[in-house]
Amino acid sequence: GAGVSQSPSNKVTEKGKDVELRCDPISGHTALYWYRQSLGQGLEFLIYFQGNSAPDKSGLPSDRFSAERTGGSVSTLTIQRTQQEDSAVYLCASSLGFTGAPDTQYFGPGTRLTVL
Amino acid sequence: AQSVTQPDIHITVSEGASLELRCNYSYGATPYLFWYVQSPGQGLQLLLKYFSGDTLVQGIKGFEAEFKRSQSSFNLRKPSVHWSDAAEYFCAMKGMNTGFQKLVFGTGTRLLVSP
Repeated sequence: GAGVSQSPSNKVTEKGKDVELRCDPISGHTALYWYRQSLGQGLEFLIYFQGNSAPDKSGLPSDRFSAERTGGSVSTLTIQRTQQEDSAVYLCASSLGFTGAPDTQYFGPGTRLTVL
Repeated sequence: AQSVTQPDIHITVSEGASLELRCNYSYGATPYLFWYVQSPGQGLQLLLKYFSGDTLVQGIKGFEAEFKRSQSSFNLRKPSVHWSDAAEYFCAMKGMNTGFQKLVFGTGTRLLVSP
């Protein structure tokens, strides 16, 4: 079946501009995650959505970062007033989302963001 | 604090030789453990996972990993490496408590395969 998809695959923007990154999870997966992969920091958790519950935003690095998930499916990660340190690969993952039970996350191909 | 350590940044192995990638974790209980592989320009692909039970787990592409509680380790092995295995490998863990869903990753090990 179809895996996690992300768009765009590459995004180049100028410092100070806003960007939106999109994630389409695997059908039927109720949990969705955003991670950031950068040279200096490795793979970092950003935010986690589970069904209709309030998201876990504990990994968002600043208030310039926000994310939403509409209709329990597609998610958009928005970065406002981008800075050069935001340059990274942004990875989205989804999982079945069984709480209290082992759960496996499946990753999309990522969006490479370059801030000039 | 929860953490994952992959002590080897780079490893070079000859094609056909055996491979072992090291992974150690720090956690107050037995975590859920994963190995992912990332080829250049690609996302993360799950190789295998350990949740409970048999401590030797088999994965895709001929990989296996062994969970050793006494050493807090979850090393990845393959008996004979192929050139297509060249990639970056990430070990990850997740705590068992219900509300803790994020994966904590190691810094990765880049595998180079020589002819």
